[in-house]
Amino acid sequence: AQSVTQLDSQVPVFEEAPVELRCNYSSSVSVYLFWYVQYPNQGLQLLLKYLSGSTLVKGINGFEAEFNKSQTSFHLRKPSVHISDTAEYFCAVTDNAGNMLTFGGGTRLMVKP
Amino acid sequence: GAGVSQSPSNKVTEKGKDVELRCDPISGHTALYWYRQSLGQGLEFLIYFQGNSAPDKSGLPSDRFSAERTGGSVSTLTIQRTQQEDSAVYLCASSYSGGTGDGYTFGSGTRLTVV
Repeated sequence: AQSVTQLDSQVPVFEEAPVELRCNYSSSVSVYLFWYVQYPNQGLQLLLKYLSGSTLVKGINGFEAEFNKSQTSFHLRKPSVHISDTAEYFCAVTDNAGNMLTFGGGTRLMVKP
Repeated sequence: GAGVSQSPSNKVTEKGKDVELRCDPISGHTALYWYRQSLGQGLEFLIYFQGNSAPDKSGLPSDRFSAERTGGSVSTLTIQRTQQEDSAVYLCASSYSGGTGDGYTFGSGTRLTVV
């Protein structure tokens, strides 16, 4: 079984500043990793995913994440945030045996002018 | 369809009434999932379908909750004798198989308010 921990429930940041949203996971097998974004009053949208290969994954809206196997982390980063990035961000993990995604508790990113 | 469709988008019901929430997954997606998201909370897993069968019902919070899926497509989540604590956004997602590298595609949710 896997588990996901998002260490920060809320992250306030000023517009144009860099941001990192932290995600750590635990698993005894190889994993696939995902970040989803949920804008207000909407469903979840896939931002990016890591399946294999390069540990640096680029997604939509200028976000990227780095898979670190030794630290069991998959932190999400953006070098310069916009007001429109204000949303809830969820990290998720699954094993490569086709089992369900396990989601973290979410991090609310609040971008201030 | 092009995306996961959920209806209604909003539902206000009186305490004690039954409600049905509908999810129409992406055509060809065999796996379907229901989640509940209470105000300011994360995702609470409810139930998972592979085809028409539900191998994992572990998340249903009480016997007032039930779900079915017919024809390997549309799913209905039914809540009987609704309570105020049932107020939440109910999200449906589908995937091509049991997750793997495809991730899930989510619908926009049904916001249920029990008054």
